[in-house]
Amino acid sequence: AQSVTQPDIHITVSEGASLELRCNYSYGATPYLFWYVQSPGQGLQLLLKYFSGDTLVQGIKGFEAEFKRSQSSFNLRKPSVHWSDAAEYFCAVGNNDMRFGAGTRLTVKP
Amino acid sequence: GAVVSQHPSRVICKSGTSVKIECRSLDFQATTMFWYRQFPKKSLMLMATSNEGSKATYEQGVEKDKFLINHASLTLSTLTVTSAHPEDSSFYICSARRAGVHNEQFFGPGTRLTVL
Repeated sequence: AQSVTQPDIHITVSEGASLELRCNYSYGATPYLFWYVQSPGQGLQLLLKYFSGDTLVQGIKGFEAEFKRSQSSFNLRKPSVHWSDAAEYFCAVGNNDMRFGAGTRLTVKP
Repeated sequence: GAVVSQHPSRVICKSGTSVKIECRSLDFQATTMFWYRQFPKKSLMLMATSNEGSKATYEQGVEKDKFLINHASLTLSTLTVTSAHPEDSSFYICSARRAGVHNEQFFGPGTRLTVL
């Protein structure tokens, strides 16, 4: 069965610092992978997705993620975090039915 | 393109009443829609898969008689929470799958249900 693990429940970074959010997945075939961001009380916004091809994926708001098959990972990165990036981030895997990780809450210190 | 709407965005109801939530794909046809539930500070949990013209497929542990799903057209799926109780209070999110190379899902903005 497919599953997603986000090991970090909460991460705090200073504004301007780099960010990496971890995501590991378990899937029987080549997965479709996604990162979403959710602000409090809001819906999901798609940051980026991986279906196939280049393993380094560029998304919106300066985010990128790298698919590493050997590590079953799809970590999200941003070189310089902005205060507006504070939110909940979800990694998801699947296609026919999507499974979400538990989420990582990002706090940005001024 | 690929916009999904939900209505209402927020609903408050009394315990024992039923509440209907609509999910619409505005600019594409969706033979399959999905319903998720999100508890406060938690992740999204898939409740059921809704296929146009057929019965929904429910995930283990989800009461199909309590959460009625209807997918009567290619652009509309409804979730009815019957005899709602306070423990049904949650954020309900739908998604619609657009047919294509990757059959990508697009998410609605969610519906906040509060049962008093």
